[in-house]
Amino acid sequence: DIQLTQSPSTLSAFVGDRVTITCRASQSLSSWLAWYQQKPGKAPKLLIYKASSLESGVPSRFSGSGSGTEFTLTISSLQPDDFGSYYCQHYSDYPWTFGQGTKVEIK
Amino acid sequence: EDQLVESGGGLVQPGGSLRLSCAASGFTISTYSLTWVRQAPGKGLEWISFINSLSSTTYYADSVRGRFTISRDNAKNSLYLQMNNLRDEDTAVYYCARVNTAAIYFDSWGQGTLVTVSS
Repeated sequence: DIQLTQSPSTLSAFVGDRVTITCRASQSLSSWLAWYQQKPGKAPKLLIYKASSLESGVPSRFSGSGSGTEFTLTISSLQPDDFGSYYCQHYSDYPWTFGQGTKVEIK
Repeated sequence: EDQLVESGGGLVQPGGSLRLSCAASGFTISTYSLTWVRQAPGKGLEWISFINSLSSTTYYADSVRGRFTISRDNAKNSLYLQMNNLRDEDTAVYYCARVNTAAIYFDSWGQGTLVTVSS
C-alpha cells in the first residue's frame, strides 16, 4: 500500500502568513493527489485535485503543486477561516489512502 | 444543492451489527461511484469501502474486509454499509462521499454518523 506522510503535524501562523504543508508518498503518484480541509466536527471538503487543480468555489489563496512523490499545499495569505485540519489523499491505485493530517492554528 | 445524509449510527456491543444508510439529494447517484470513509475520535481519515455505479465492483480496506458490505440502491438514490462483527476499533464517525467521475477523489461528503462499539 502507498503511504502518505504529511509535515508538519501541527502549525501555528499569523493571519496573512504564507503557509505550506508537505505530503510525501512512498512511491510515485504521478499527479494523482487531492487535498481536503476539515473543520472541527464537520465533514472534509475537497480543495485541490490532480495535485494542482483548484476545486470550484475554493478561494484562490489555496494552491497545490508537485508530482511524483512530493507535493505541497500552499495558503498564500492565511485567513481566520482557514483553521482546521488538512489531509492529502492519493488515488494512484487501490487502496486509496490519506495522510495523517496537518492541524493549522491561527496565532 | 448536492447533498448526502448519513443515518443509522449508534451504540452497539462488540460482535454486533449495524447498517448505515446514506441518502443523496440534488443529484442522481446512478452515474457516480460512492465510498465510505471513517474517522476514529481524534484521529485522521481512513478510506474503508468503494462501490462503482453499477455495483459490479467493490473494494474494501483490509481493516473491514469480510465484516463490512457496501451496497447501493440507485432507484432509492441511496448507499448502504452493512457492518457485522463490530470491534471496539470500529468506533468512528462514518462519512459517505461521492467519487468524482474523472478519478477516485471525493468531491461531496455527508455530515457523518457516529458509530460507537462498546460493552
